[in-house]
Amino acid sequence: ETGVTQTPRHLVMGMTNKKSLKCEQHLGHNAMYWYKQSAKKPLELMFVYSLEERVENNSVPSRFSPECPNSSHLFLHLHTLQPEDSALYLCASSPGWAIGFLGELFFGEGSRLTVL
Amino acid sequence: DQQVKQNSPSLSVQEGRISILNCDYTNSMFDYFLWYKKYPAEGPTFLISISSIKDKNEDGRFTVFLNKSAKHLSLHIVPSQPGDSAVYFCAASGIGYKLSFGAGTTVTVRA
Repeated sequence: ETGVTQTPRHLVMGMTNKKSLKCEQHLGHNAMYWYKQSAKKPLELMFVYSLEERVENNSVPSRFSPECPNSSHLFLHLHTLQPEDSALYLCASSPGWAIGFLGELFFGEGSRLTVL
Repeated sequence: DQQVKQNSPSLSVQEGRISILNCDYTNSMFDYFLWYKKYPAEGPTFLISISSIKDKNEDGRFTVFLNKSAKHLSLHIVPSQPGDSAVYFCAASGIGYKLSFGAGTTVTVRA
């Protein structure tokens, strides 16, 4: 069983649809992240949650809405997306989040999103 | 503004030879550096890291070198194997533990 599990692995949606991406971590970590990976670009940090509190919102448009009901689960709710939002969305977790390095990120396999 | 740059999008190397991947950064506050490896249809996996108080860290076939004055790090893979064919991401961490990633280098190991 992988430490970080993402569903669905692939998602195709229209611009008016509402969908959600789900992430679950089985590592006992306290911090969870959403990253976006577009082709040939660096991974972009979107959101960070530490102990279910959002500690970072990296200027992400409001059509992306994160939710962290507990330290093991993280959602990304999607609404009225644009075609340029098509990308690989990666969830990650880490032992903690604070000033200074507390351990590497563990990534899920990603959810490939296509917006038509 | 991209703070971590991998200027070589791809690298092709013969099996058994050395692979050298390069990474440059601009933020002098970065104090921890990591390399991640990514296969198609999988998430990135942690490979090796180095703290800014060191200039070299070795783990089996993988060695990372850090040159703080040049704001440059490199990953050496010796010897390269076909299973090393993947995308390699350089990442850096500073205050607030936000990892900044490079765009990746695709390594192809030829038999």
